[in-house]
Amino acid sequence: DADVTQTPRNRITKTGKRIMLECSQTKGHDRMYWYRQDPGLGLRLIYYSFDVKDINKGEISDGYSVSRQAQAKFSLSLESAIPNQTALYFCATSESGTQETQYFGPGTRLLVL
Amino acid sequence: RKEVEQDPGPFNVPEGATVAFNCTYSNSASQSFFWYRQDCRKEPKLLMSVYSSGNEDGRFTAQLNRASQYISLLIRDSKLSDSATYLCVAGEYGNKLVFGAGTILRVKS
Repeated sequence: DADVTQTPRNRITKTGKRIMLECSQTKGHDRMYWYRQDPGLGLRLIYYSFDVKDINKGEISDGYSVSRQAQAKFSLSLESAIPNQTALYFCATSESGTQETQYFGPGTRLLVL
Repeated sequence: RKEVEQDPGPFNVPEGATVAFNCTYSNSASQSFFWYRQDCRKEPKLLMSVYSSGNEDGRFTAQLNRASQYISLLIRDSKLSDSATYLCVAGEYGNKLVFGAGTILRVKS
C-alpha cells in the first residue's frame, strides 16, 4: 500500500463549487504540505502544517483553506473553485528536521470548468 | 525572477551519453539542496541530496557552489529509463522546499 494517498485522483468541477482534496499518510510524519503544479511553473507551496495544531500559509494560499484533522490527515479545500485553479495538486509529508526528504502522494488532477 | 531557475530543455541525448543539468537559486539563506525526479504524470521522488563537497550515487553526481548559488547534476552513461523531468530544489528554514520548473531529459536508443 502507498504511504501517502490522495483522493480523488481526478476531479472535474464547475466554477463556484466547493471541493475538498484529501491526503492521508501512514509514514508517521509530523509535517504535511500541499502543492500545486502548473506547466512551466514547477511546484508551488499552498499550505503546510508541522503538527496537528499548526497551519501555515505558503506561497499561493489565496482561494484555498486547509484542515489538519489528525497527524495522518491533511485536507485542502477550494471554497469557490475558479478556472485558474485547474492544476495538478500534490500532498507531501516529511519528518521533523531541517533537511528531511519530502514524500509525495500520487497527485490529484483538478479541472475547473 | 524565479527563486530556483533551470533550463527547461528538453535535452535529447542518445543512450550512453553524459548529460549535465544546471540550476541557480536566488535565496542565499537556502540551507539544503536536492534533485528530485518526476516521471510523466507521476509524483516527484527524491533522486539525491546535494552537498557542498559534492556527492555521487552510481551514475549520478551532484555539485553545489554556495558562492555562485549554483547546483548541478551530471548523469553518465544515460539509460532509456533516465528519461524524466529533473527538478532542482532549494530547502529553506523549516523544511520548506522551493522547486525549479524542471528540466526534461529524453534518452533515445
